[in-house]
Amino acid sequence: DAGITQSPRHKVTETGTPVTLRCHQTENHRYMYWYRQDPGHGLRLIHYSYGVKDTDKGEVSDGYSVSRSKTEDFLLTLESATSSQTSVYFCAITPYSGSPYYEQYFGPGTRLTVT
Amino acid sequence: AQKVTQAQTEISVVEKEDVTLDCVYETRDTTYYLFWYKQPPSGELVFLIRRNSFDEQNEISGRYSWNFQKSTSSFNFTITASQVVDSAVYFCALSVRGGNEKLTFGTGTRLTIIP
Repeated sequence: DAGITQSPRHKVTETGTPVTLRCHQTENHRYMYWYRQDPGHGLRLIHYSYGVKDTDKGEVSDGYSVSRSKTEDFLLTLESATSSQTSVYFCAITPYSGSPYYEQYFGPGTRLTVT
Repeated sequence: AQKVTQAQTEISVVEKEDVTLDCVYETRDTTYYLFWYKQPPSGELVFLIRRNSFDEQNEISGRYSWNFQKSTSSFNFTITASQVVDSAVYFCALSVRGGNEKLTFGTGTRLTIIP
């Protein structure tokens, strides 16, 4: 158990509304990631963080922003939700503070539906 | 750019049969890492194995084995004497040293074990 929780676990929202998903970890891991999972695409990286206030874009970052004001929390915000952002969102951590080049452990996921 | 191909979208086998899941990767980097994850019907992502590019030894863990061949850029996963609990979606993934710290996932193979 990597001590990762995500909230909410399920959310339905309307097009055009802002949405924030939270990832919380209890073990002070340096690296945190947000992925989305869609049929036919596997998982794709949205944003990642390599420390407090240190973040960078991933493969599918358009329409998303992130913030990390403390080690344990990594927030993903959909500025103005669109139907194409309906997906399952996973947060992940790498449990080795010195390098990101190790396996990632994933949270339970958040299922987001944009109507 | 990195790419992971899992050409088998869905596989069904009868319980106790052996099954191999294929994974082919593309990268120009000489140092890279390969992973397998399992996603059971409950939806969580479970880490199975990590293999470094400089370690071509095959690995066996109980009924699971992995065959890493750099010559064919493949990292195949075999389940011996399959069980119903092996039913899941399996993802192969790749990360590279000096890249942007992301995992590149294949699109996954849905494995169904028929009792």
